[in-house]
Amino acid sequence: DQQVKQNSPSLSVQEGRISILNCDYTNSMFDYFLWYKKYPAEGPTFLISISSIKDKNEDGRFTVFLNKSAKHLSLHIVPSQPGDSAVYFCAAIGDSWGKLQFGAGTQVVVTP
Amino acid sequence: GAGVSQSPSNKVTEKGKDVELRCDPISGHTALYWYRQRLGQGLEFLIYFQGNSAPDKSGLPSDRFSAERTGESVSTLTIQRTQQEDSAVYLCASNRGSYNSPLHFGNGTRLTVT
Repeated sequence: DQQVKQNSPSLSVQEGRISILNCDYTNSMFDYFLWYKKYPAEGPTFLISISSIKDKNEDGRFTVFLNKSAKHLSLHIVPSQPGDSAVYFCAAIGDSWGKLQFGAGTQVVVTP
Repeated sequence: GAGVSQSPSNKVTEKGKDVELRCDPISGHTALYWYRQRLGQGLEFLIYFQGNSAPDKSGLPSDRFSAERTGESVSTLTIQRTQQEDSAVYLCASNRGSYNSPLHFGNGTRLTVT
């Protein structure tokens, strides 16, 4: 039962342009959402998070948007850089504290 | 290093053998988690330790899987009678135990069962 879904397995974007990664969830009890970034042969690293009481959180080039009514969140990276090429995981928590539910990930490739 | 440390980084084992994976969390982190990632899939929750509370084992896929943690330090994940479907990257993470404290992951152990 996949409660967090990332329907785009891959995304290719030109350097300098915007990357938009999408994530949908089904559990209405989720109230905290996170994005992680993963390079090959490394563990995921925390990128940015958002609480359900907000609809936007910004940190430098990274902005996360939350639409609770649609059970949808997105990550915007502006401008995209070659070092942003990685797998991005969406994660959510709420109904069972500590048990982060992850999506399947989106592979982002930033081309020069 | 101040990060989460996992060993071994790679493990190849024959079907039916037992394996033990180790995780050293960040010092001071009260919570420790095990996830696994099968090829092409997302991170699958396995087990969660928080302080002296009983661990949340709800993600363990079968009784061949078990994990222990000594206090707030090292944890070991044991897989008995390994099967080919156990092949995956096993990731350990820790945090301070508060609700919105991000997980810090180790680099994982890549397990291949032949």
